[in-house]
Amino acid sequence: AQKVTQAQTEISVVEKEDVTLDCVYETRDTTYYLFWYKQPPSGELVFLIRRNSFDEQNEISGRYSWNFQKSTSSFNFTITASQVVDSAVYFCALSEETSGSRLTFGEGTQLTVNP
Amino acid sequence: DVKVTQSSRYLVKRTGEKVFLECVQDMDHENMFWYRQDPGLGLRLIYFSYDVKMKEKGDIPEGYSVSREKKERFSLILESASTNQTSMYLCASSFVWPPSYTFGSGTRLTVV
Repeated sequence: AQKVTQAQTEISVVEKEDVTLDCVYETRDTTYYLFWYKQPPSGELVFLIRRNSFDEQNEISGRYSWNFQKSTSSFNFTITASQVVDSAVYFCALSEETSGSRLTFGEGTQLTVNP
Repeated sequence: DVKVTQSSRYLVKRTGEKVFLECVQDMDHENMFWYRQDPGLGLRLIYFSYDVKMKEKGDIPEGYSVSREKKERFSLILESASTNQTSMYLCASSFVWPPSYTFGSGTRLTVV
């Protein structure tokens, strides 16, 4: 059964600090996808990244970077030089090929960036 | 612009009422999903559908049913609403594989 754990319930930082959001997953599949979503106070889910299980290259997009490590079943997300607009709930999620593409979410991490 | 549309942004219903939440997608996606979001619990899957008239239970199906008579429309039904069903409900759709999800804006349901 697929499972995603985001152990950090809330994180509070001061603007310009770097912050890493942790995500650990469990799956028996060899083929799967991992996702990160941002949910600002407006409530809509904003897609950030999709990574498949065969691509362990780290990815950087502006101030955002992702570290995928299959050896530790982790897919961590780092925001460099955080800004107030980064304040949101962030979700990590997993979709296994054998589960009919159902998406399993972690509990979410509330990130607050203070000025 | 492709989208998933949920019929209501906010809804207030009374205990015992039958409630319909509607979701429509225009992307010809095979799969559609209903999630419930509660603080500290993330998004939990209620039901999903991989084809017209087909449905599968998710993690928390109790108290809910669904209907998918057409490919583009997936309805969530609360047969007899209860206060513990007060929550944010999110609909999503996706191609089968590789998955690429589009989410609706959500319906915040309050049962009084």
